[in-house]
Amino acid sequence: GAGVSQTPSNKVTEKGKYVELRCDPISGHTALYWYRQSLGQGPEFLIYFQGTGAADDSGLPNDRFFAVRPEGSVSTLKIQRTERGDSAVYLCASSPIAGTTGELFFGEGSRLTVL
Amino acid sequence: GQQLNQSPQSMFIQEGEDVSMNCTSSSIFNTWLWYKQDPGEGPVLLIALYKAGELTSNGRLTAQFGITRKDSFLNISASIPSDVGIYFCAGQSEGNTPLVFGKGTRLSVIA
Repeated sequence: GAGVSQTPSNKVTEKGKYVELRCDPISGHTALYWYRQSLGQGPEFLIYFQGTGAADDSGLPNDRFFAVRPEGSVSTLKIQRTERGDSAVYLCASSPIAGTTGELFFGEGSRLTVL
Repeated sequence: GQQLNQSPQSMFIQEGEDVSMNCTSSSIFNTWLWYKQDPGEGPVLLIALYKAGELTSNGRLTAQFGITRKDSFLNISASIPSDVGIYFCAGQSEGNTPLVFGKGTRLSVIA
């Protein structure tokens, strides 16, 4: 597709379960970002990749959160032992070149609800 | 960490009115951007600013990068119903650092 694609669009899970969220960036974009957006808030940075490597993971809240991008394209955000406070919309964005312009192209997000 | 303060938090205006919103920071940013988010969608870039003092327009939208590098404003002229949404400012302190977003200004337009 032409834009950033995220799946699933909605995920409801129980506290303690493991969750994976997938992001397929715009073709040819080398930089990929994960943000988290809680209700009534702006997006908060989690991690970004330049190619296959995590260039900055300083926004990951704790070690239950992990993300990979093994082939430099699709990325998966993994959350272990989910907690109710993890409920939010997880946004993925891509950019042609990491960092230089700050212009990000966002997907529609994956809404995670932890019961 | 760095924080951006956006104001107002929300605003209700009549169709046809002009709108102004702003964003301030305690620290310097080298790039300012304005995004709009519709319900159930991701933010979409409206305007990007790269130089202090820069004034840039995109149709009915005009944004400025403050001289101090610590603020930016967005104006919307002659508002229309499709302007409804949440407007976010975002700043980047230097290349390769992630964007920091404000909490947004929720705009409602009354026809």
